[in-house]
Order: sequence, then structure tokens, then C-alpha cells
Amino acid sequence: ETGVTQSPTHLIKTRGQQVTLRCSSQSGHNTVSWYQQALGQGPQFIFQYYREEENGRGNFPPRFSGLQFPNYSSELNVNALELDDSALYLCASSLANQQAFFGQGTRLTVV
Amino acid sequence: DQQVKQNSPSLSVQEGRISILNCDYTNSMFDYFLWYKKYPAEGPTFLISISSIKDKNEDGRFTVFLNKSAKHLSLHIVPSQPGDSAVYFCAASDLSSGNTPLVFGKGTRLSVIA
Repeated sequence: ETGVTQSPTHLIKTRGQQVTLRCSSQSGHNTVSWYQQALGQGPQFIFQYYREEENGRGNFPPRFSGLQFPNYSSELNVNALELDDSALYLCASSLANQQAFFGQGTRLTVV
Repeated sequence: DQQVKQNSPSLSVQEGRISILNCDYTNSMFDYFLWYKKYPAEGPTFLISISSIKDKNEDGRFTVFLNKSAKHLSLHIVPSQPGDSAVYFCAASDLSSGNTPLVFGKGTRLSVIA
């Protein structure tokens, strides 16, 4: 049991819509990272939050945005959804520079 | 431009034998390497890691070997068990620059046959 929980587990959205995915980090972890895993690929880094500030970003457009709250939980928001955004979205929490623990993921399907 | 490569998409091994999963990287700044295991409908689970100051790390049935000059690491599982059947991801990061996000390979699907 990693203690990282994500909601919802599955989601279907229409192209052009907006979506918010949520993540509760493991107790005591102050760093949250989001990854996108497309079919047949490894997870790709989207961004990372450390103590409520964005602390690194991968090669994703600005329509991917996020938040981290004082309790270190986090949200991933995606605007203007495209078909290629269909993927498994993974949240990972950690203490800075320590091993990351992943949640079970949110499977997003854009139709 | 893939910085972490797992060139074998799949591997099949008999129960009790050794499984060897390979991983190559191109970024010489990577100094921390991890292996994750992933079952369907679950998130990746941490398995074992190695720092670039070591060339071997062991944890029970799992051993990771690092060859920095070749930019290559491998995961050995001995003996392999049917419950080891999963997708294995190699990941790397550059901790020395404070850059902690993980760069993953595409994964290798291991099937252990009873």
C-alpha cells in the first residue's frame, strides 16, 4: 500500500472539454509529480510540485496545468482536450530527492 | 530522443530460471537509476534502485547491475516466479542537479511460465 490515491480511476471526455484529475499524496510527502503514460510507452514527466510551487516541467503544452494544496494533495488540469490526450495519468509523491511512490492512475479516454 | 531505452519489449522465462532485463541510457548526467514493476490497472511499484557510485545492488531475488562506461544497467531476478510476470520499467534521474523527475524507458513485459 503506497498511500497515494488518485481519482477518478476512469474518465471519458469529449474533445475540446476540460478535465481535472486529483491526487492525494502519501502522508508526509511534500513533492508531487504527474506523468502521462500513453499506450505502449513509458510514463512521461508532465510537471512536479514542491511545497505548492511548480518545480519543473516536461515537454507538455500550457493547457496542462496543476496545483498543489497546503496538505500536499494535487490536481492536474487539462484544457481543450485532444484525442492524443487519451492515456493513463499517474501521480507520484515523494520527499525531495527520495524514491517516488505512484498511485494507481486515472485512465482518461477522449472521444 | 529517448534518453532511456529498453530494447526488448517482451521476455519469456521459465519458472525457477534467471530473468535478465536490460536498459541503456544516453544522458551521462543521470546518477540514480530505478526499476519499477507494473501490473495491469495498477500504478508502477518501486522495486530496486542504484546510485551511480555503486555498480551492484541486491535485494532478495532482485539484483541491479550498473555499467557506467557502457551506460547500461540490468535487472536480474533469480529465481523467477510466476508472480513476477508484469511490465518492468527502467527509470533514471539526475539527482546531483536537484532534477528529480524520472525519465522512463518504454518497459519490458516479463512472462514467467510455470
